[in-house]
Amino acid sequence: SAVISQKPSRDICQRGTSLTIQCQVDSQVTMMFWYRQQPGQSLTLIATANQGSEATYESGFVIDKFPISRPNLTFSTLTVSNMSPEDSSIYLCSAPRGTEAFFGQGTRLTVV
Amino acid sequence: AQSVTQLDSHVSVSEGTPVLLRCNYSSSYSPSLFWYVQHPNKGLQLLLKYTSAATLVKGINGFEAEFKKSETSFHLTKPSAHMSDAAEYFCVVSTDTDKLIFGTGTRLQVFP
Repeated sequence: SAVISQKPSRDICQRGTSLTIQCQVDSQVTMMFWYRQQPGQSLTLIATANQGSEATYESGFVIDKFPISRPNLTFSTLTVSNMSPEDSSIYLCSAPRGTEAFFGQGTRLTVV
Repeated sequence: AQSVTQLDSHVSVSEGTPVLLRCNYSSSYSPSLFWYVQHPNKGLQLLLKYTSAATLVKGINGFEAEFKKSETSFHLTKPSAHMSDAAEYFCVVSTDTDKLIFGTGTRLQVFP
């Protein structure tokens, strides 16, 4: 199984600031994904992080708000920019391996 | 396009009684389907997966699910609920680009 280390595990941030979340996979993976889980809700895909090219964003998510980096095949970052209380959520990274997807432990973000 | 529908937002059972969490899927091709569990303040854990092999899939902690193409269903069952089974359960379908589409979740409560 793959191990994904995600940090920070939680943070409380002031509105208007930005937070960068990091995910490190223990082996090379072609694609990584970033999901958001708003309070009491299911997971929604934000974007696909592609190595060597720009991330591909899902409907409703834009690069200016959620810039993503993928400098190599084991690492990715998601930045939540210019935060507002509505961005308070759990953010998770994921990487598929074979027929299974592995998830980081999540970052619980609270914006005050 | 792929989608999943979890038919119950909440399910309550008594300890020792059977559990049934219902999921219907929609897919234009033979899908890969998963059940994930999320315990409070913990990460996502894969319970089981269907990837076009045996239609009855056995997972961890005594859970199993049956893929029924004729009914487009992938219901999760367990013969006897345990208190530790109380959690949020997500039915998930994988797209042809490895993206995961999550159902809205079913919260399982287990009463003593």
